[in-house]
Amino acid sequence: DAKTTQPNSMESNEEEPVHLPCNHSTISGTDYIHWYRQLPSQGPEYVIHGLTSNVNNRMASLAIAEDRKSSTLILHRATLRDAAVYYCILRPLGGGANSKLTFGKGITLSVRP
Amino acid sequence: EAQVTQNPRYLITVTGKKLTVTCSQNMNHEYMSWYRQDPGLGLRQIYYSMNVEVTDKGDVPEGYKVSRKEKRNFPLILESPSPNQTSLYFCASSSYTYQGPNYLIAKNIQYFGAGTRLSVL
Repeated sequence: DAKTTQPNSMESNEEEPVHLPCNHSTISGTDYIHWYRQLPSQGPEYVIHGLTSNVNNRMASLAIAEDRKSSTLILHRATLRDAAVYYCILRPLGGGANSKLTFGKGITLSVRP
Repeated sequence: EAQVTQNPRYLITVTGKKLTVTCSQNMNHEYMSWYRQDPGLGLRQIYYSMNVEVTDKGDVPEGYKVSRKEKRNFPLILESPSPNQTSLYFCASSSYTYQGPNYLIAKNIQYFGAGTRLSVL
């Protein structure tokens, strides 16, 4: 499986933008880039995903480098509720065993009031 | 409201006493999966199911059984629990877009339950 590398932790101030980086230099052409987050004492929660183009949704934006070897999850205005572990995951195209999400250690995001 | 419901949320048991953790989803999803989460090891897949009566092993299936008799339910069974199965367990589900007889594409978004914290003494 292609691997992702994320910093262990980041800190942010409330209401400021947060950029969470992810490196995936061995990504293949059919790997989708997914982000999930896990709030304290909860199950993982889908945030966003993309293949080649930048993506926006109500929760966040995903910026994907042109060579696809890295990506950045952008939270436009961090709130205290955004404090969580954020996982960057590569997911191959296809079903069956390819539906598995391979979680790394993720980035622990702390948000200061 | 779209939900994946696990029960119980917390369970303390003793070695060898059979237990079942239930998982139910209300989204008519074909795909369901069980993960366990351990400190330093992250989430690892135990078993998954692509549809009713279709199940397969994930990365860490030893000591676990599953069944998929109905589309909405995917129980995790520990026939003889041991202390190394003390962990936090998550059930997840997602839907497929059917592309043909031998090729399925997951719709990409997986929904997770709130977790079951199991302690085996």
